[in-house]
Formats: sequence, C-alpha cells, structure tokens
Amino acid sequence: GQNIDQPTEMTATEGAIVQINCTYQTSGFNGLFWYQQHAGEAPTFLSYNVLDGLEEKGRFSSFLSRSKGYSYLLLKELQMKDSASYLCAVIDWSGNTPLVFGKGTRLSVIA
Amino acid sequence: DARVTQTPRHKVTEMGQEVTMRCQPILGHNTVFWYRQTMMQGLELLAYFRNRAPLDDSGMPKDRFSAEMPDATLATLKIQPSEPRDSAVYFCASAGTSGNRASSYNEQFFGPGTRLTVL
Repeated sequence: GQNIDQPTEMTATEGAIVQINCTYQTSGFNGLFWYQQHAGEAPTFLSYNVLDGLEEKGRFSSFLSRSKGYSYLLLKELQMKDSASYLCAVIDWSGNTPLVFGKGTRLSVIA
Repeated sequence: DARVTQTPRHKVTEMGQEVTMRCQPILGHNTVFWYRQTMMQGLELLAYFRNRAPLDDSGMPKDRFSAEMPDATLATLKIQPSEPRDSAVYFCASAGTSGNRASSYNEQFFGPGTRLTVL
C-alpha cells in the first residue's frame, strides 16, 4: 500500500524560513516530487529527489532520506507569493498507480 | 511556450447528463494522466496512458467514467451519467518518459483544469 503524510496547514512570516515535512510508506519507492499549487491554479513542478541528500534550487531546497521514508521542502526568504499548497508525491512501482500525491500542506505567509 | 490545454475550463451540468472533458498534451510527451481534485480527497489519479495505451484506470469508477486517447494529441475523460459527487476539478497532465518502467519519471506538466459542477 501507499501512505503519504504531510501537515495540513502551516503559517510563517515573510522573510523567514519554513520547512514542510513529508513522510511516506511504500514498497516500490522510485523518487519523490514536490509541487506548488496556488489557489485555483494547477500544480507546478518544484523539485525531484531520487537519491538521498539535499537538492537546492534558488530559495527552495528539497531533502530526501530513503531509509527513513522522509522528505522535506525548505523555503527560504519567504515572500507573500509563496502562500500556496505544497504537494508531496511519491513514485511507487509496487502498485498499479505510478505516482501518489499527498493531500498537500497549505502554507500562509503573513507580514 | 508548450503547455497542456484543457477544455472546457468550467462546466455546470445537471445530474444524469453526459460530460466530456478534453486534453491536449504537450507535443512529444508520451504519457498522459487524468486527476481529480477535491478538498476532501486531494489530488487523485484516475487514469493514465503511455504511448496512447491505457496503463491503469483503477482510480476510476468503471460504471460511469471512461478515458480514451483517440490520437497522440487528444485525451478525453467522459462521465455518463454524471452525479453531484463528481463535482471537482479535473486535471490533465503530460510527461515525457522513456518506455522503461524502471526509469525515473520526468516532471508532469499540468493543464489548467476543468472545474465541474454537477447539480
């Protein structure tokens, strides 16, 4: 089976750093994505991790630990436009469904 | 600027009516996904195709939903008959992947979605 957990909501202050965690249980793990989705819009790709470690891309970084079934998305120098939902998605070849999304973390950035 | 397009963007219909949603994937992408998103369930995969062949549609209610790819530039999702519980945003996404199942997935590019309301 597949199970992906992430916090439902988070609030952070403009200019600060926030870490959004994602834990997963799968038997055929083959990579993890983070997507950003603004209200009323489609999800857009942020990052992809398949090996352990940190991937940095500008203000956003994503970390993966396969042994712990854990990932986080780190957002630095928060801006108001970062207010959105952040979706963790796992590639799992053990079942028929290749990509399973978590329910998302709704981040609110406040002044 | 290559992007996934979906039509219609909004659809309001009455229970029992047929609904057809269309998607044009990015040219050259060989994998197409249909998702449904609601507040309660989040983003759920309904079906996906690779090289126009359906690979999995276990997420779809078989009795009323059907998904097809008549050609490489068009994917359709049909609901017949529609029910109020089908009200959701339906996203199509496409990706360029190799034919090897064990290879890594490339990022998916999502269309703008069809917001369906069934009264």
